[in-house]
Amino acid sequence: QVQLQESGPGLVKPSETLSLTCTVSGGSVSSGSYYWSWIRQPPGKGLEWIGYIYYSGSTNYNPSLKSRVTTSVDTSKNQFSLKLSSVTAADTAVYYCAKMRASWYFDLWGRGTLVTVSS
Amino acid sequence: SSELTQDPAVSVALGQTVRITCQGDSLRSYYASWYQQKPGQAPVLVIYDKNNRPSGIPDRFSGSSSGNTASLTITGAQAEDEADYYCNSRDSSANHLVFGGGTKLTVL
Repeated sequence: QVQLQESGPGLVKPSETLSLTCTVSGGSVSSGSYYWSWIRQPPGKGLEWIGYIYYSGSTNYNPSLKSRVTTSVDTSKNQFSLKLSSVTAADTAVYYCAKMRASWYFDLWGRGTLVTVSS
Repeated sequence: SSELTQDPAVSVALGQTVRITCQGDSLRSYYASWYQQKPGQAPVLVIYDKNNRPSGIPDRFSGSSSGNTASLTITGAQAEDEADYYCNSRDSSANHLVFGGGTKLTVL
């Protein structure tokens, strides 16, 4: 059974880069059947898709975040990662990693990790 | 603002049927999927590809679509169905993903 677990700093200073990693267990990040995704949810608000990366390295990002987002896959560690640069308080949110199928639905989510942007 | 529009809140009496809707131009061409989120928990997929349920999702959950509107129907709502529900699909460009704003379901 595939499981996803987010990890990374819970506190990031304004203007710095937010970095998170999602570890895939019980499955392979190299599987061609899935797209590895990031989604966030500001406190008390709705879900916002950030982007996805395919095992080959191809990516697709939310246009509103594209200039600040970078994702990568590390097949040796069975992980994928998110970097969001120049963060502000508006980037404070619970960040989820998720497994997306070809029809663009998310069939498995991590538990989420709260990242607070504050000095 | 989201390109998929949902009613912010809906209520249903225990055991009754409720429909939660999601509107957007992209839904004329692409399926919506639906997620249930309870407080403090990650979202859980309940419907995908218009009307398919993942293993473990009760059959009281069903999906449908007509024109620019996708619907999630809960037939015989239970107290444990009280949650936020989100739809997602492609945006109007069809190149990116978007979520609806979410609907808070209250079971009375």
